[in-house]
Amino acid sequence: GQQVKQSSPSLTVQEGGILILNCDYENDMFDYFAWYKKYPDNSPTLLISVRSNVDKREDGRFTVFLNKSGKHFSLHITASQPEDTAVYLCAAGATQGTGSKLSFGKGAKLTVSP
Amino acid sequence: EAAVTQSPRSKVAVTGGKVTLSCHQTNNHDYMYWYRQDTGHGLRLIHYSYVADSTEKGDIPDGYKASRPSQENFSLILELASLSQTAVYFCASSLWGGDEQYFGPGTRLTVL
Repeated sequence: GQQVKQSSPSLTVQEGGILILNCDYENDMFDYFAWYKKYPDNSPTLLISVRSNVDKREDGRFTVFLNKSGKHFSLHITASQPEDTAVYLCAAGATQGTGSKLSFGKGAKLTVSP
Repeated sequence: EAAVTQSPRSKVAVTGGKVTLSCHQTNNHDYMYWYRQDTGHGLRLIHYSYVADSTEKGDIPDGYKASRPSQENFSLILELASLSQTAVYFCASSLWGGDEQYFGPGTRLTVL
């Protein structure tokens, strides 16, 4: 089954607005959580990530919140800009030991309207 | 200069034919991955490798084989291509399993 579930496959926000993208996971062993950004016909690139020893990480307009007890993490985008229009993929994994890997969500398409 | 390259960038194959997708990285990373992207499914892991001459099954390995002859190269092999394998395939590399993954530009495969 899908280990990382991403809700709201499509979202629209007005320029300047605040957006929250959500992701739920199943595996208690997951200790690494990331958000990737993907433009059409391009490859995904890492936007922001956090490890399980913290519950929040901020990078400019982007903040990831981790709720370990609820097996949930989210991406908050403030002051949305048209260039934020993209597909956002959440990912999580258990990174201890060799052979670790990430599981990706299905992606959420974000449109920022002027 | 691109650190993860894929070839070919696009390919049309016939059902039942053999297809080999190649990936090359200059990141000096131990981990390499093959994903497929389909509308509504996000990225799904097919095979991955964390050391040369060894590969691991991902979440959807059926119908695919992988080969890691060196740290830099990782191939995905479709012995008998099927219509359902039409998709965009991404290769990626990372320093270790819990680190940022760097993706190649993708290969668009169409099986007719």
